[in-house]
Amino acid sequence: DGGITQSPKYLFRKEGQNVTLSCEQNLNHDAMYWYRQDPGQGLRLIYYSQIVNDFQKGDIAEGYSVSREKKESFPLTVTSAQKNPTAFYLCASRTYDLGQGSGYTFGSGTRLTVV
Amino acid sequence: GESVGLHLPTLSVQEGDNSIINCAYSNSASDYFIWYKQESGKGPQFIIDIRSNMDKRQGQRVTVLLNKTVKHLSLQIAATQPGDSAVYFCAENMEGGSEKLVFGKGTKLTVNP
Repeated sequence: DGGITQSPKYLFRKEGQNVTLSCEQNLNHDAMYWYRQDPGQGLRLIYYSQIVNDFQKGDIAEGYSVSREKKESFPLTVTSAQKNPTAFYLCASRTYDLGQGSGYTFGSGTRLTVV
Repeated sequence: GESVGLHLPTLSVQEGDNSIINCAYSNSASDYFIWYKQESGKGPQFIIDIRSNMDKRQGQRVTVLLNKTVKHLSLQIAATQPGDSAVYFCAENMEGGSEKLVFGKGTKLTVNP
């Protein structure tokens, strides 16, 4: 089955450490996105990429970095510069072929906790 | 700027009743709107969408209404079931624009048996 996979599901990080969250899709989608969700809040866009080797900052990019070396993969690094990294991180991909659904597919998320 | 909000943070209904979840948006250039359902600890699931050239769209037990005059979106769930309990988000997108999906804060729906 095609889908989008985020790993790990739970991640613990010590203060001052960088950590990388994985997002892989086998849907052949061109665009990929990273969102952050805080308790009781909506999703806020961190970074997005519409094509390989290109990405743009979202609304809350400070303290985060991404790469898009392959169409299937869009890893997110939470750096030590991110002052409040504890959150639920969601990855999404999108096709522009709107045969069904919204074209967006979400992963199941990674819950990052700073200890 | 772009923002999408919801009128009520929580909604509690009896099983079998109809539910209405509301959403206000501020970007009049947005032309595509989506409703998502999110269960605890999971990613958002697509429910239904609507483009700005429509004012109503129906799915299975769900209907989305769009009022562009007042920039208001609603999701109606018929015969609400316990499995409908979740947080519901509206999201807006401007096709051909920034390609960003902007989410509201969400409404938590609780269905009482």
